[in-house]
Amino acid sequence: NAGVTQTPKFRVLKTGQSMTLLCAQDMNHEYMYWYRQDPGMGLRLIHYSVGEGTTAKGEVPDGYNVSRLKKQNFLLGLESAAPSQTSVYFCASSYSSNQPQHFGDGTRLSIL
Amino acid sequence: EDQVTQSPEALRLQEGESSSLNCSYTVSGLRGLFWYRQDPGKGPEFLFTLYSAGEEKEKERLKATLTKKESFLHITAPKPEDSATYLCAVQGNKYGNQFYFGTGTSLTVIP
Repeated sequence: NAGVTQTPKFRVLKTGQSMTLLCAQDMNHEYMYWYRQDPGMGLRLIHYSVGEGTTAKGEVPDGYNVSRLKKQNFLLGLESAAPSQTSVYFCASSYSSNQPQHFGDGTRLSIL
Repeated sequence: EDQVTQSPEALRLQEGESSSLNCSYTVSGLRGLFWYRQDPGKGPEFLFTLYSAGEEKEKERLKATLTKKESFLHITAPKPEDSATYLCAVQGNKYGNQFYFGTGTSLTVIP
């Protein structure tokens, strides 16, 4: 039972570099989400998708882009990484909007 | 403004010592309240969903309750394996029915 799989698990970047985080789910869920988790703060929604080919902004979208070309995959991109984007990034998916979200184990990203 | 406040931030219990965790919330158009458990280095794991005031859910040593302003997670006779951070999330009607997460309660159960 894979559930939600995130790659990579760890990454260190230099300021200004770009990268893409990959999220894959095998539960045939329509909804997918990207969050960041920082010390002393709750999980905050970056972007989300309500279905293949759709994306929308969440609470903290600046500096990030997303794509959902296939139903099972949701990609999070950092165009020009900044130290403020050092965080743990979690992907989640759900069957519908008011169903529980199921999370991956996160990507720990450090920007130097 | 929609927000979730969890208390206490940290809780240490002796094995078998029952207690409760609190989740207070303000949200426009509550669609649901969710409890999660998060172990170090892992993603949140779903525990319960509560949709209306007065609703209760139970699972093993855990029981979640909901009022119009807060939710409690009661832990009865905890064991060391219950040690984790417990997160509360409320779902409002903004940003595509966004979930708002609290900062969690870190629970340590001492043998």
